[in-house]
Amino acid sequence: SQQGEEDPQALSIQEGENATMNCSYKTSINNLQWYRQNSGRGLVHLILIRSNEREKHSGRLRVTLDTSKKSSSLLITASRAADTASYFCATDLYTGGFKTIFGAGTRLFVKA
Amino acid sequence: DTAVSQTPKYLVTQMGNDKSIKCEQNLGHDTMYWYKQDSKKFLKIMFSYNNKELIINETVPNRFSPKSPDKAHLNLHINSLELGDSAVYFCASSQKTAIAKNIQYFGAGTRLSVL
Repeated sequence: SQQGEEDPQALSIQEGENATMNCSYKTSINNLQWYRQNSGRGLVHLILIRSNEREKHSGRLRVTLDTSKKSSSLLITASRAADTASYFCATDLYTGGFKTIFGAGTRLFVKA
Repeated sequence: DTAVSQTPKYLVTQMGNDKSIKCEQNLGHDTMYWYKQDSKKFLKIMFSYNNKELIINETVPNRFSPKSPDKAHLNLHINSLELGDSAVYFCASSQKTAIAKNIQYFGAGTRLSVL
């Protein structure tokens, strides 16, 4: 089973609405990252939150981290059609060397 | 200039063939990776190299052989291609320091189709 699992698997909203994606993981982590992947492209880093942080903001993005529940959420406010993409959480573990494990992603579709 | 570039972008080949995918990064990073993304978009790490040294090998069949001639390049050679190897392969790089925090930079991907 995967270290990071996103929920929901797919999300369809209207432009202007907020989009919330959740990520759960299993083991202790050093950092948790969120990435975006546009169709046919590579992943692009959005935001990183450290294990001792609870919330982080970057523009229209807000990430929360609850290490007691081993979960994180990504909120995109006032969504735009250009936000249509897949969003992945990635957990950084140290197991003798750093390892980043990606979840299966949430596919977000923002309708104009 | 593209930070992480991989070639080719598309690769269509017959079962049983041998093929290579090349990756280069101009970010000065010490660590490079190969990931496989299947049709369900699940991204799985295959290999990681740090300064030309293999540090992660995720039980990938030994038909897959990575080679890192220097820290800016990580190539992937695949022998005896099978149908199940069809996927998108991504190269990535990162700098694992307290400041960089292992943020990874991805190439655009190589879509491999084995017929």
